[in-house]
Amino acid sequence: QSALTQPASVSGSPGQSITISCTGTSSDVGGFNLVSWYQQHPGKAPKLLIYEGSKRPSGVSIRFSGSKSGNTASLTISGLQAEDEADYYCCSFAGRSIFYVFGSGTKVAVL
Amino acid sequence: EVQLVESGGGLVHPGGSLRLSCAASGFPFSSYSMDWVRQAPGRGLEWVSYISTTSETIYYADSVKGRFTISRDNAKNSLYLQMNSLTAEDTAVYYCARGDLVGSYSHAMDVWGQGTTVTVSS
Repeated sequence: QSALTQPASVSGSPGQSITISCTGTSSDVGGFNLVSWYQQHPGKAPKLLIYEGSKRPSGVSIRFSGSKSGNTASLTISGLQAEDEADYYCCSFAGRSIFYVFGSGTKVAVL
Repeated sequence: EVQLVESGGGLVHPGGSLRLSCAASGFPFSSYSMDWVRQAPGRGLEWVSYISTTSETIYYADSVKGRFTISRDNAKNSLYLQMNSLTAEDTAVYYCARGDLVGSYSHAMDVWGQGTTVTVSS
């Protein structure tokens, strides 16, 4: 199972909005409404930002939002802040044979 | 405080074995599915294995199938990963992560440990 496709890097200025895409297939992203997004700062454990495509866990900033269209899921960060500089990963449920597949990861830079 | 603490990582020779542990606290461990996820140096996240609350359902990534065994002891609030026939490609930080509450199907990992490092080298 290949990793879901994410852009290697995305950048933006403070206050701007950026969107990270996550492209899979009808067997994973497109087949289930079960995409999650994770933020990982260097040397730290991942943190759940979004689950079931667009839901935010308690405590996660409303600046983070998720959506999906067809085989592509997206994470939007609004009002970009310096602390948002990190790696971001999508993850999709892919059925009982493969179970989970992660994205390739996107490094976000705040200019 | 909800917490996961991994242990058991270290340096092992190719072909060797290692057993990782994950101690859970602050939540009803037996009510949650659990996962292992790894991250090779400088690389992305890779899901490794899943175990349901009762251990009835278990899944593995193809890359570890037949070599790794996931298990849990709900009485001890602990998750394990037995790793055999290790190769250099298994070198990574291994994270345990909390999955779904029984009856929920979000398929997301909402609590992560700090990770334990496994290095396979001669």
